[in-house]
This record gives sequence, structure tokens and C-alpha cells, in this order.
Amino acid sequence: GAGVSQSPSNKVTEKGKDVELRCDPISGHTALYWYRQSLGQGLEFLIYFQGNSAPDKSGLPSDRFSAERTGGSVSTLTIQRTQQEDSAVYLCATGTKYTDTQYFGPGTRLTVL
Amino acid sequence: KNEVEQSPQNLTAQEGEFITINCSYSVGISALHWLQQHPGGGIVSLFMLSSGKKKHGRLIATINIQEKHSSLHITASHPRDSAVYICAVKDSGGSNYKLTFGKGTLLTVNP
Repeated sequence: GAGVSQSPSNKVTEKGKDVELRCDPISGHTALYWYRQSLGQGLEFLIYFQGNSAPDKSGLPSDRFSAERTGGSVSTLTIQRTQQEDSAVYLCATGTKYTDTQYFGPGTRLTVL
Repeated sequence: KNEVEQSPQNLTAQEGEFITINCSYSVGISALHWLQQHPGGGIVSLFMLSSGKKKHGRLIATINIQEKHSSLHITASHPRDSAVYICAVKDSGGSNYKLTFGKGTLLTVNP
């Protein structure tokens, strides 16, 4: 496919469990962002990857959150010991270093019971 | 940190009406984005502005750097324009990739 894909589209989990969310970027896009969109709130920056540079993790809300990007392509956002306040839509966006335009995936809706 | 405010939060219009959505921000910026989010979550970039005005089809975006304000206009609105419209800014003094987002304006266009 030509766009950014994310999986799963929906995830329901129990409090305390770990979850992994996946993002497949557009081929050739070196920039990759993770955002969180909570109900009634604006998009919240979580983490930014650019090529082989060290990621900007300044938006991660706690040490329960981590992200990896293997081989400069697929990225995984991991949330350990999930809490109810982690319930949100997690969005991935990618882009090139030549433009500010970001291409968003469809998001993963996470519900923590 | 920039504060981005959008107004109105919710807007209901009849098909054919002219729509205006406003965005104001508190700190100098290098770029402003307008995004569209349809039900189901998909977000699409509509415009990126650093000055003046841009037009794409029935959509027009303007920005006034001195007043720290941008508007998104939709002419001859249609039910398919129903979506959340999001304003986002890149601070002029900040990183060259981080955006600060408004909470969005929910537009409903009735037939």
C-alpha cells in the first residue's frame, strides 16, 4: 500500500497488561512520529525518529512507554503495565526531511479496562 | 510552549454555507498547518502556511503573522466536509519538527 499503516486498529486490554502498537511507514520516509489523541484533547507528541539519529523521546509520559524503530522502517510503541488513563487513539505519522508535511496512519484505538 | 486555540469548538452549518474556522497562537511560529480528521480517525494535511493565503478547491487558508491568527474558510460547504479541522503550529524558536496542536473544530454540514 502507498500510505502509513498501523496495527491493530483496535486493542482492548486489561489494566496491568503490556501492549505493542505497530506502525509501517511510507517507503522512503525517514521521519516517524508517534502521537496520542485522548478524548477532547489535541494531539500530543510522544516520540520522533529521524533516520539513524537518536530519537526525541521528550513527549513520552512515563517510563512505561517506549518505542523502537528497526532498520529505519517499522516502528513499535510499547506500553507496559497499562493504566486506564492510557486509553486513547495512538497515531503514527511519517514524512521526509525535505518537507514539513506529515502523512498520518489510521491510528490504533486503545481501550484499557 | 505555544498555546493554540481554535474557535469555534463545534460548528453546524447548512449545505452551501460559507464556513470560517479560526486559530490563534501565543508564540511566534515558522509554519502553521491545517489538518482534516474524518470520523474513523484518518488525518489528512490540508495546508501548510508561513505567510499570506493558500487556496485549494473550495478551501482557503489565511494567516496573519503579526496578529498570530489563521483562518480556514470553506466555500459552498457540503456534507462531505463534515470532519474535525485541526490547526497545528511549529514554533520559530523550537525544534524543526515538533508541532503543537489545537483541540480541533468539529464541523457538521447538514444537507
